[in-house]
Amino acid sequence: DAGITQSPRHKVTETGTPVTLRCHQTENHRYMYWYRQDPGHGLRLIHYSYGVKDTDKGEVSDGYSVSRSKTEDFLLTLESATSSQTSVYFCAIRGDSSSYEQYFGPGTRLTVT
Amino acid sequence: KNQVEQSPQSLIILEGKNCTLQCNYTVSPFSNLRWYKQDTGRGPVSLKIMTFSENTKSNGRYTATLDADTKQSSLHITASQLSDSASYICVVNYGGSQGNLIFGKGTKLSVKP
Repeated sequence: DAGITQSPRHKVTETGTPVTLRCHQTENHRYMYWYRQDPGHGLRLIHYSYGVKDTDKGEVSDGYSVSRSKTEDFLLTLESATSSQTSVYFCAIRGDSSSYEQYFGPGTRLTVT
Repeated sequence: KNQVEQSPQSLIILEGKNCTLQCNYTVSPFSNLRWYKQDTGRGPVSLKIMTFSENTKSNGRYTATLDADTKQSSLHITASQLSDSASYICVVNYGGSQGNLIFGKGTKLSVKP
């Protein structure tokens, strides 16, 4: 998994509660991404980061926020979880070549009841 | 609208047989196209096959071709193995330093003994 870990790997939470997912990388890559994967959809970009404290929105950013205070950590926060945010969340890093290949973490399965 | 469509949605083949998966894209501007393999419960992993013009690239038993005129790519798997059972995802990079990607929904391949 290219030195990428995600925590927790599984989480069940109730509607309305805040949730934070963590992505940690060991290879000092500049670009990091958060995606969600749902049945019937391809992976969809939530937010990405291009450096410490530098982040931008993706295709499905509503209801999510991110923070990156250190190169190695990229946090995804659901301020008030909803059932529509039940999904599998993947973190990815971009390799340093110009080909923009991305490497994915193992995923976090989040269930909002 | 940028889209990546894959077919078939699912495929069952016998061990040792060959198969071909299809990917059609309407993405602009187009930079390159990659194929990823995703085992159940895990993150996608690149097959290390990138095409960006009229070409064919191979990595072991995997061969990808790209026709830029028809905006189609195919992934050919030869002499299938049980371990090839997975989802195969077509991913198009539509440029930009952020490495913006559009993901297909994947083809689920099952290889039976």
